[in-house]
This record gives sequence, C-alpha cells and structure tokens, in this order.
Amino acid sequence: GQQLNQSPQSMFIQEGEDVSMNCTSSSIFNTWLWYKQDPGEGPVLLIALYKAGELTSNGRLTAQFGTTRKDSFLNISASIPSDVGIYFCAGEDTSGNTPLVFGKGTRLSVIA
Amino acid sequence: SQTIHQWPATLVQPVGSPLSLECTVEGTSNPNLYWYRQAAGRGLQLLFYSVGIGQISSEVPQNLSASRPQDRQFILSSKKLLLSDSGFYLCAWGRAAGGYNEQFFGPGTRLTVL
Repeated sequence: GQQLNQSPQSMFIQEGEDVSMNCTSSSIFNTWLWYKQDPGEGPVLLIALYKAGELTSNGRLTAQFGTTRKDSFLNISASIPSDVGIYFCAGEDTSGNTPLVFGKGTRLSVIA
Repeated sequence: SQTIHQWPATLVQPVGSPLSLECTVEGTSNPNLYWYRQAAGRGLQLLFYSVGIGQISSEVPQNLSASRPQDRQFILSSKKLLLSDSGFYLCAWGRAAGGYNEQFFGPGTRLTVL
C-alpha cells in the first residue's frame, strides 16, 4: 500500500527554537493533514491543506502543501514546552475512496 | 458540534478472554468510522473502517473483528485476546462525502493483555 515518509523520526530542541518536519510520498495526494498527539490521548487535527502550494497557519504553526502534491511540511515557531508530543502527517490519495494514509510520526521533545 | 466517545478508557484483560470496545459519535450522521491500534511510541495502524451500517473493511488479518450495528456506533471485538493485542486503540470518524477527508479521533482505550 501507499506509504508516507515522515522525517525526522524524533527531535530534541531548546525552548524558543523553530522546528521543521516534513512528509513525502511517492504518489500524488489530494489532501494533506497534520495532527498532534499528546501522551495518552488521541491525535488532534492541527492543519488541513487542500490545494497544491497552499500555505496555512494556525498560531505558531505553519504548513504547506507541496507544489508537486507529493510532499508537505510543518513548521513550529518559537517552541514552548507544551509543543511536546508526536506529530503525524496524513494524506488522502487521488481516488478519495480509501482511508487516510498516515506517516509514522515525529516525536518532538522541548528542553526548557 | 461533533463529539466522539470511547469506552472504557483503560482495560486490563487476561490472555484468552473476550474483548469489546465501543465507540460512538454524536452530532453527525452517516460518518465513516475507523479503528486504529497504536503500539507504545509507534505509529497508527489502521485495523478496520466502515462507510455504513453493517459495512466493514478489514485492513490487516488479525485476532480482532469490528461491527457497526448503528449509524454512529462502532465496536471492536475479540473472542480470545492474545498478548500481542495490547496497545492503544483509537476510534476516528470522518465525513462520508464533500471532498474534505479529515478524520477526528476519540480519546482512545489503553488495553493491556496479561
């Protein structure tokens, strides 16, 4: 089946630093989504992207739908301790008839 | 607004015992429903999804089964649990149509099989 390559697998950063993570696919996607999962909870949708080239912000978070439709990135500016968690990318393929494909996640740790 | 519930929140079961996890959605009709399993510190593994009552698609062969007896109810079951069934089980819902394929997750059930 389709796979999303999400990198990096984990990150350790100092509070206040900016963070960047990305997701790539071998096939074209119609939708890119970014989720955050806090420990012991379900993932929460952060940003949804529907058009190639689309750049969307949600507070300190910014995500872009790559122009090739095969990648997306998520940036977090001025990280704070509550940014700790696992970030998942997800995509919908062009058929629209199959469930979302999820990346394996990026585990973010913020050092105060 | 839409909400999704899962219960129980945590469960400890002996090997060989049966399992029933329930997921219900409020505030929407005819949702797509999904069951995922997440091993500790790992990614999300899709187990089952359903596009309507009685319609179940299985993504991986396993010791588990799913049923959708009502539009907004999704149940994950097992007749005999294995140690490998331990994990964090997440239910999610999504809109059936409209071009927006976001999924929204419930709070999860942590299952420990001893």
